[in-house]
Amino acid sequence: NAGVTQTPKFQVLKTGQSMTLQCAQDMNHNSMYWYRQDPGMGLRLIYYSASEGTTDKGEVPNGYNVSRLNKREFSLRLESAAPSQTSVYFCASSVIGGGTGANVLTFGAGSRLTVL
Amino acid sequence: GEDVEQSLFLSVREGDSSVINCTYTDSSSTYLYWYKQEPGAGLQLLTYIFSNMDMKQDQRLTVLLNKKDKHLSLRIADTQTGDSAIYFCAESPAGFQKLVFGTGTRLLVSP
Repeated sequence: NAGVTQTPKFQVLKTGQSMTLQCAQDMNHNSMYWYRQDPGMGLRLIYYSASEGTTDKGEVPNGYNVSRLNKREFSLRLESAAPSQTSVYFCASSVIGGGTGANVLTFGAGSRLTVL
Repeated sequence: GEDVEQSLFLSVREGDSSVINCTYTDSSSTYLYWYKQEPGAGLQLLTYIFSNMDMKQDQRLTVLLNKKDKHLSLRIADTQTGDSAIYFCAESPAGFQKLVFGTGTRLLVSP
């Protein structure tokens, strides 16, 4: 199983350009997430989708949009990139349960984005 | 509100025990988690603890939870150089299908 696959792994943009980060999972998970990781800030939640057809804002949604295309795919779009969006972006998926009720996230390898 | 805090760095010698601490604010969290991030990789689940437990042991890992003080710790026994990584604690606020992560503690293990 591939788990959670993110593309691209690296991207350099100029200020004002747009791009979409793609994420797909093959574990039949209901929930998907986008986090950003910045030095000294830990992981901050941008958006999440508890189930197909729903999306909710996290801590830092400004400047981003998301689409839950189907159960497998959850994309993150930057409409007009800014240098403050330079970060490493992680997609994750999860399903609650497995007999415990714990919400265990499986992460992708990350996408490093630089905005000049 | 939700806030999870950790110290940023910890340095230990190989063979020693490491203790990574975390404080959280949301008392409704039913589970608390520890994740590990190796260089250039995503996060991987290490372990989690249900909020009505005080302790959980899993091989070299021991998790202690003080719910009154909202304090969580991860002890790694016999720390190895391969344990060098960033360790994140996370809470899961009740009623929300999301995890709130701390800032991460970078553990450096020297030979």
